[in-house]
Amino acid sequence: EVQLVDSGGGLVNPGGSLRLSCAASGFTFSRYSMNWVRQAPGKGLEWVSFISSGGSYTYYADSVKGRFTISRDNAKNSLYLQMSSLRADDTAVYYCARGGKTIFGSEDYWGQGTLVTVSS
Amino acid sequence: SYVLSQPPSVSVAPGQTARISCGGSDIGSKSVHWYQQKPGQAPVLVVYDDSDRPSGIPERFSGSNSGNTATLTISRVEAGDEGDYYCQVWDSSSEHQVFGGGTKLTVL
Repeated sequence: EVQLVDSGGGLVNPGGSLRLSCAASGFTFSRYSMNWVRQAPGKGLEWVSFISSGGSYTYYADSVKGRFTISRDNAKNSLYLQMSSLRADDTAVYYCARGGKTIFGSEDYWGQGTLVTVSS
Repeated sequence: SYVLSQPPSVSVAPGQTARISCGGSDIGSKSVHWYQQKPGQAPVLVVYDDSDRPSGIPERFSGSNSGNTATLTISRVEAGDEGDYYCQVWDSSSEHQVFGGGTKLTVL
């Protein structure tokens, strides 16, 4: 059974840093691209970042470029999102999601989400 | 940047057909994916690549895409279909994934 377990969220001060993790199981992690998608309270979905299966290609939303870094460890079946210079508008539930049958998008499995709250 | 426009809400009676639109410039040239999200849950992919269904998704869910509008069609709507629906594309010019603003489907 495919499983994605998000962790690492919490309360952080503006300007602070946080590292999210996503533990994958039930599939060959190294064969799939991965994404982070977030959802602010009461708002819609916002794509955050993409990483290719081997980690060579990464893309970021304009709102996080230069502040967030996506990475993966295929030996540990894990995806990460290093977040720095956090702002109040980064407050959201963050989901990791597995890339689906198309090169980009069509994420077919999602984690349960982890809540990041940026507030003093 | 590329923008996807969805109606905020759609209402339909049980057993009827719901159509949710997703508008974007020349969206017909892109591959469109659709997600369903229920309160407190992660999104679920219901249609990918314009009109394909992942395994486990009922045939009642279908999609089309042409010109400047993509459409998710849900036939014989059930109470369990209530939720928020989002369209998604990859914009190659910006190298960004883009989500529509979402449509809340209400079953009357």
